[in-house]
This record gives sequence, structure tokens and C-alpha cells, in this order.
Amino acid sequence: EAGVAQSPRYKIIEKRQSVAFWCNPISGHATLYWYQQILGQGPKLLIQFQNNGVVDDSQLPKDRFSAERLKGVDSTLKIQPAKLEDSAVYLCASSLVRLAGSTDTQYFGPGTRLTVL
Amino acid sequence: QKEVEQNSGPLSVPEGAIASLNCTYSDRGSQSFFWYRQYSGKSPELIMSIYSNGDKEDGRFTAQLNKASQYVSLLIRDSQPSDSATYLCAVNAGNMLTFGGGTRLMVKP
Repeated sequence: EAGVAQSPRYKIIEKRQSVAFWCNPISGHATLYWYQQILGQGPKLLIQFQNNGVVDDSQLPKDRFSAERLKGVDSTLKIQPAKLEDSAVYLCASSLVRLAGSTDTQYFGPGTRLTVL
Repeated sequence: QKEVEQNSGPLSVPEGAIASLNCTYSDRGSQSFFWYRQYSGKSPELIMSIYSNGDKEDGRFTAQLNKASQYVSLLIRDSQPSDSATYLCAVNAGNMLTFGGGTRLMVKP
């Protein structure tokens, strides 16, 4: 079974530029998550999708971050414009069903390491 | 703000010893508890999950949960150098999985 795919693996941009990340979850997984992991910290949930609907985006900085999951499969996360403090690894994860009240395992992709100069 | 706290370490243990990793959480409504292992430069991978009070054993790993004390722990028996990694505690309450900052474990040969 193929795992969660992400691209690109690495990205270096200058501040105020825009960037987009792509994620393809495990086939059949209804729930998709984007996390931000700053060096030395644990992952922080940015947004959670159930199929193509947003379940939770309370920690997404909506003035600069946006995400979509068209057709309930692939997802893209965009930052526009980027700030220095956005330098982090962006992790995508997926699980079979909605996380709330469930014991479903989240499977993580390899992540995209973003450096903002 | 739901919080999950871990000692950042590093926790250094000799090969063959027991490593004990601890985690506390603030939300009493938390229902599910997970331990993830993260090697440097890699993504987290699930190693243990626990949902009820008590111990749960899987090979060399034992997870312990005490909801009254809001405390979760992970014991690694017969620690190996390959166990050297950052261990992330994660807690599910409601819609969100909240991670602690992780404890870095170093197993010395």
C-alpha cells in the first residue's frame, strides 16, 4: 500500500513570495490533515479535511495560509505572502475516518521542508 | 488552550536499560493517547496507542495511562541504539490531535 505522498520535499523562497505544497493521501482515506512542525517542536495542526469539507481550521493563519481539497482526494496548502517565521516542515497526514471520537491512526507523509530567507 | 507537556530531554540511557518517557495533558475530556517516534529529518510514525487506564504492552514498548492524574508514559525495555529518536506524545480530545514538544532519547552503546 502506497503511503502519503508530498511534494516538493524541499523549498527555499524569499519572504513575501508565495509557495504551494501538494499532498496525496493514502487511497481510501477520508480525512486529511496539514501540520506545521517548527524545528524542536511537535507538529501543530493547521487544518483538517473530511472528504472535501473543512472540519477544523482554527489554527490556520487565514490572512496568509489557504488550503483546499478538491474532489476529496489531493490537497494543496498555500502560503502567500511568506514570512520568516513560516520556516518549518509542513506535514500532511491521512486517516480512514474522522478523528473525533475515533481511534484511527494518522499516517504521515515525508513532509516539505520550507526555508524562508 | 489544550496543552500536552513533555520534557524535551535529551534523555540518555545505556544500551539494554529501560527508558521512561513521560507526558502530561491539560484537557480532562481527552479520549485517545498516542506515542509517535520521529527520527531526525523524518516524519512521525505511530508506535503505541492507548485508550483506557492501565498498561498496554507491545513488544519492548509499554504505554501507561492514568486519566485521574492526566498522565501518559512510555517505557522502552532493553533499549537499543536504534531507539534513539524524538518521542512525541499526542492526545485526542474532540476534533483535534494535539502533540507535545517531544522528548529526545539517546541510547548509548
